[in-house]
Amino acid sequence: EDQVTQSPEALRLQEGESSSLNCSYTVSGLRGLFWYRQDPGKGPEFLFTLYSAGEEKEKERLKATLTKKESFLHITAPKPEDSATYLCAVRRSNDYKLSFGAGTTVTVRA
Amino acid sequence: NAGVTQTPKFQVLKTGQSMTLQCAQDMNHNSMYWYRQDPGMGLRLIYYSASEGTTDKGEVPNGYNVSRLNKREFSLRLESAAPSQTSVYFCASNDPDLPSYNEQFFGPGTRLTVL
Repeated sequence: EDQVTQSPEALRLQEGESSSLNCSYTVSGLRGLFWYRQDPGKGPEFLFTLYSAGEEKEKERLKATLTKKESFLHITAPKPEDSATYLCAVRRSNDYKLSFGAGTTVTVRA
Repeated sequence: NAGVTQTPKFQVLKTGQSMTLQCAQDMNHNSMYWYRQDPGMGLRLIYYSASEGTTDKGEVPNGYNVSRLNKREFSLRLESAAPSQTSVYFCASNDPDLPSYNEQFFGPGTRLTVL
């Protein structure tokens, strides 16, 4: 059974204070690892897909990296508008369903 | 281009009542999904439809039924609501024929409370 564990559950940052979120996964034959952002009261919004260990993707202040067992989402010099819940999900080979982690809620204070 | 739309946005039911959650997408996607989201548990797949005319159970299908009405619409029905079905329900879609296949597009959600 696929398992996706995100840590920490919650993260409170001061504006400009860089940090990282962790997503540990167990999946038989990783087809892709996905990061989504979810704002309160809204549906998840796609951020990145990572396919293989060593791959990195960047978008504004966010950078996602992937190893064989985990992924990190680095937030560099965050701003209050980066406050959201960040979800990690995995997809196994020969299957198009996603398994999601519980998410990390990030709060950035001005 | 509205993306994925869901109705209603909010609903309160009494135990034993039935209702149907509606989902529609205008992106010509083949695949559609229904998830529920509960605090501390992340998104869990209820049912999915790989293409028009097919549906399959996900992780937590008990107490639900689905209908893929056409390529655009995928509905979720609760025949006899229970308090354990209090949750936020999300519909999503994607298409295996597109380069962005892996990206699932989500609707805004339906917040359901069962008393």
